[in-house]
Amino acid sequence: KNQVEQSPQSLIILEGKNCTLQCNYTVSPFSNLRWYKQDTGRGPVSLTIMTFSENTKSNGRYTATLDADTKQSSLHITASQLSDSASYICVVSSIMEYGNKLVFGAGTILRVKS
Amino acid sequence: EAQVTQNPRYLITVTGKKLTVTCSQNMNHEYMSWYRQDPGLGLRQIYYSMNVEVTDKGDVPEGYKVSRKEKRNFPLILESPSPNQTSLYFCASSSTAGGINEQYFGPGTRLTVT
Repeated sequence: KNQVEQSPQSLIILEGKNCTLQCNYTVSPFSNLRWYKQDTGRGPVSLTIMTFSENTKSNGRYTATLDADTKQSSLHITASQLSDSASYICVVSSIMEYGNKLVFGAGTILRVKS
Repeated sequence: EAQVTQNPRYLITVTGKKLTVTCSQNMNHEYMSWYRQDPGLGLRQIYYSMNVEVTDKGDVPEGYKVSRKEKRNFPLILESPSPNQTSLYFCASSSTAGGINEQYFGPGTRLTVT
């Protein structure tokens, strides 16, 4: 069964600190892996998209890693800011006959406090 | 500005009263999709559309209908809403269903069925 599991479910950190969110998946066949940020009451917004051959990708203070062998990904946030408080969703894209199907994790809720 | 819009943003209705949630995108995207998001679960796909007049069921299509008469619009129809359809709904679009195309999400519609 295609699944995406994220940990931890929630996390509280102090402003300025770093943190790492984890994502494990069993999706097959694999096409790409995405990390989204979802602010409360808003739609998800893409942070990074990585294909099989990419093992790291950065977007400002966000760095995603991918280990396709172990089917694991992480999202590292550096020097956190209050505006980083959000839900972070790992999404794995699977190759289907018609195109790609997205399988969503339940998300990690991050709260950054001052 | 490139965007996906949804209306209404909030809706409270009663069991059995037909309703439609509209979705529109201004990016000339071929692929559009509807998701629902429930606490503790990842986004689940309800229906998707590869192009005009081409729609298909996602993972949780029961109780929903869609249509794609024009490229920019993809309304979600609940013919006889029930309380278990209380959820947060997102419309999304991308240029095509395949590859690493960015998927853009609307702002969400929070539906409560009493």
